[in-house]
Amino acid sequence: EIVLTQSPATLSLSPGERATLSCRASQSISSYLAWYQQKPGQAPRLLIYDTSNRATGIPARFSGSGSGTDFTLTLSSLEPEDFAVYYCQQRSNWFAFGGGTKVEIK
Amino acid sequence: EVQLVQSGAEVKKPGESLKISCKGSGYRFSSSWIAWVRQMPGKGLECMGIIYPGDSDTRYSPSFQGQVTMSADKSVSTASLQWSSLQASDSAMYYCARLLWIGDGRSFDYWGQGTLVTVSS
Repeated sequence: EIVLTQSPATLSLSPGERATLSCRASQSISSYLAWYQQKPGQAPRLLIYDTSNRATGIPARFSGSGSGTDFTLTLSSLEPEDFAVYYCQQRSNWFAFGGGTKVEIK
Repeated sequence: EVQLVQSGAEVKKPGESLKISCKGSGYRFSSSWIAWVRQMPGKGLECMGIIYPGDSDTRYSPSFQGQVTMSADKSVSTASLQWSSLQASDSAMYYCARLLWIGDGRSFDYWGQGTLVTVSS
């Protein structure tokens, strides 16, 4: 079973700052990793698929990188609407999700 | 515009049965897998299973096999998730989502708004 571990659990930043979120897989998942954003009371929204491809309508400030077991979601400059919980997800072992990283306002 | 619209919130008693639904529009419903994703209060996301409406091919997560039943009616572009005997531990938000299948990659590109299921005596 492949486990995805996200870090940190919480990231406290100010608008305009850069956010770097990590997702580590317990074994290699090639480049098949996706990232989602979830705001309170809303469904998740796909941000990035296959490690680095932005989904339709996703701003360029969101970017993804990595391969194998280590992946990163970067928000280049936080906007007020970016404060949310972010999940990574892999497809190598039954679409498992990571535990999430909460990006909160400092 | 692709949309997945789910049925409304439910309040049930333990032991009761339940079926919730997810209606797709704006795309060829029969040609894309639909997933059901559970989110327990304050917790993360768990994919329960996927169904292909074109032929009702269904794959369950081992964690949910035998606990729920997924079905689809392509004639009305609707997927469903049902329980025969609810437990309090089934209380959660349930989302349907469309599976984006590009090459070997799989992710969920459109989501329903969620159906809140509350099971309480």
